[in-house]
Amino acid sequence: LAKTTQPISMDSYEGQEVNITCSHNNIATNDYITWYQQFPSQGPRFIIQGYKTKVTNEVASLFIPADRKSSTLSLPRVSLSDTAVYYCLVGDPHGSGNTGKLIFGQGTTLQVKP
Amino acid sequence: NAGVTQTPKFQVLKTGQSMTLQCAQDMNHEYMSWYRQDPGMGLRLIHYSVGAGITDQGEVPNGYNVSRSTTEDFPLRLLSAAPSQTSVYFCASSWTKTTNEKLFFGSGTQLSVL
Repeated sequence: LAKTTQPISMDSYEGQEVNITCSHNNIATNDYITWYQQFPSQGPRFIIQGYKTKVTNEVASLFIPADRKSSTLSLPRVSLSDTAVYYCLVGDPHGSGNTGKLIFGQGTTLQVKP
Repeated sequence: NAGVTQTPKFQVLKTGQSMTLQCAQDMNHEYMSWYRQDPGMGLRLIHYSVGAGITDQGEVPNGYNVSRSTTEDFPLRLLSAAPSQTSVYFCASSWTKTTNEKLFFGSGTQLSVL
């Protein structure tokens, strides 16, 4: 039972901005929203995290609306090396948060084409 | 920094054999977890631990045992391997169980059960 819903796959071209949206309608009040990136044959790695509004770091931006029922990962000017699977993670799909039962969704496979 | 270390990287078992997948972290993290990853299924939580001596079940715990006798180690045991357990296994750790902490993943163990 995943607590998050994302598109299964997306295609883009080099140099474009890519936005991946994750739905988390039952997010707990104290849950943060975290995005991970996974390349083939590697473990996922942290990209960005936020609680509300907008967060930006050197690789991405994260937009979170006031109701926090969704979030959008924005990758500016993607390159071929951004081809990967992207996961958003919220928390326990059953509890009120902070139980440690961290359930991932299926993730979004981003294919960047030349 | 070693981070999260998983051994072995590859393993082939026969049905009915037992084995232990090792996971060790050198960051003094309280929280550790095991995921399996199958094509098209994303990351599925097997077991997790919020501290030494404490473990709990994730989404797909059947066929797997864990224990957490030290902060550093969180081994995953397959008591009687089945072909359905053919998968890539990832271990992860973070400072605490709360969702505002980053998960650090190992590089994975690719397991084939014949």
